[in-house]
Formats: sequence, structure tokens, C-alpha cells
Amino acid sequence: DAKTTQPTSMDCAEGRAANLPCNHSTISGNEYVYWYRQIHSQGPQYIIHGLKNNETNEMASLIITEDRKSSTLILPHATLRDTAVYYCIVRVIYYGGSQGNLIFGKGTKLSVKP
Amino acid sequence: KAGVTQTPRYLIKTRGQQVTLSCSPISGHRSVSWYQQTPGQGLQFLFEYFSETQRNKGNFPGRFSGRQFSNSRSEMNVSTLELGDSALYLCASSPDTQRNYGYTFGSGTRLTVV
Repeated sequence: DAKTTQPTSMDCAEGRAANLPCNHSTISGNEYVYWYRQIHSQGPQYIIHGLKNNETNEMASLIITEDRKSSTLILPHATLRDTAVYYCIVRVIYYGGSQGNLIFGKGTKLSVKP
Repeated sequence: KAGVTQTPRYLIKTRGQQVTLSCSPISGHRSVSWYQQTPGQGLQFLFEYFSETQRNKGNFPGRFSGRQFSNSRSEMNVSTLELGDSALYLCASSPDTQRNYGYTFGSGTRLTVV
């Protein structure tokens, strides 16, 4: 089962920041937080990941709380093309191990409106 | 560089038949994973291959199998197709899932079983 909880859906006005929350209260010390999104009928797209520090790339920012029990994905200036299902995933990184799969939950359906 | 390529994009099969789907990962990526996506169950992990070896397997019946070739290309096979196997099958590649890399997904193969 997925170890994350996300709201089922959210709306955002075009041009405004979209803040997508994720709860991962049982996260372990060796688990990273990953975000993917899936635009209708396409494969999921990697957005960003982090362990405990805030991260930023050309697509988004990831804010992880100090206790690591929750995080927020921020799309700074949402466009209509950002309408998608956003998945928050916690994933263990085993060095020398064999676990590599992603466990997807239901995600958040983000609708960006004009 | 080229992304993850899945063929065919669409497929219609009859119940009881078998099907083979193909995935060509990004050049240099040695890990290939397969996922099934249905409206009811969402995205579910099937299996992961790394250097021609199955490294991880999800909770699917033995009718679902896969393999990886020396050039990292992968195939998955579903035998004795059932109506419930109708789904979007997604392939994802990564340089090495044992490290902190994101996955790149293909656009998927939409399988319809009639």
C-alpha cells in the first residue's frame, strides 16, 4: 500500500502558485520523497525528489517539513498544461539491495483553470 | 536523446490469447520496470529487470512474465489473456535503481482484451 496521503483533487488559477500537500507520517529515515505527475493517457513524468532539505528545479519546488512527516510540491506559476494527476511517493534507496519499484497511491487531480 | 519507447501503442487481443509488449529504455539505462494501470487499481508494479536479471516482482499471477536482453531492451508477456488484463502497460527506465535516480516512463501500450 502507498505510504502517502494526498487530497483527491485541487483547483488552481492559471498563473498562480499551485501548492500540493502530501502526508507521509510513517516515513523512515532512509526514504526519499518523490513527486511524479501524469497528464491524461501519458506515462508518469518525474518532477522532483528530496530527502530532508528543500529542493528546487526548473519544474517545481519541494518543501519537506523538519520532522519529514509531510511535504508540499509547489508549481510557482501554474499553466493549463500543468493540469494532471500528481503523485507523491516515498521510496527507499537501497545501496546494494534490490528494491526499486514505485508504489503509487491515488494522487491529487490538479485542475488549472483560466 | 530518445526517450523510453514502447511498442505497440495500441493492441486488441481476444481472451485466451497471449501478448508480448516491448520496451526500449533510454540509451545507457540498465534498469527497466513495468507497471499496469487500470481505472480501478491505479498504477501497480509488475516487475523490474536489471542487467538481464529480474530484481523485483510485484503481486501479479504467473501469467505475467518478462525478460531483459543484453542491450537492456525488455519484453513483457501475458499468457491466457483475461478481460481484466485490459490496461495501460507502462515501462520505465533508470540508470540504476539502487541509486537516487528518477524513472523515465514511456507512453505505454494500451491493451484491450475482448
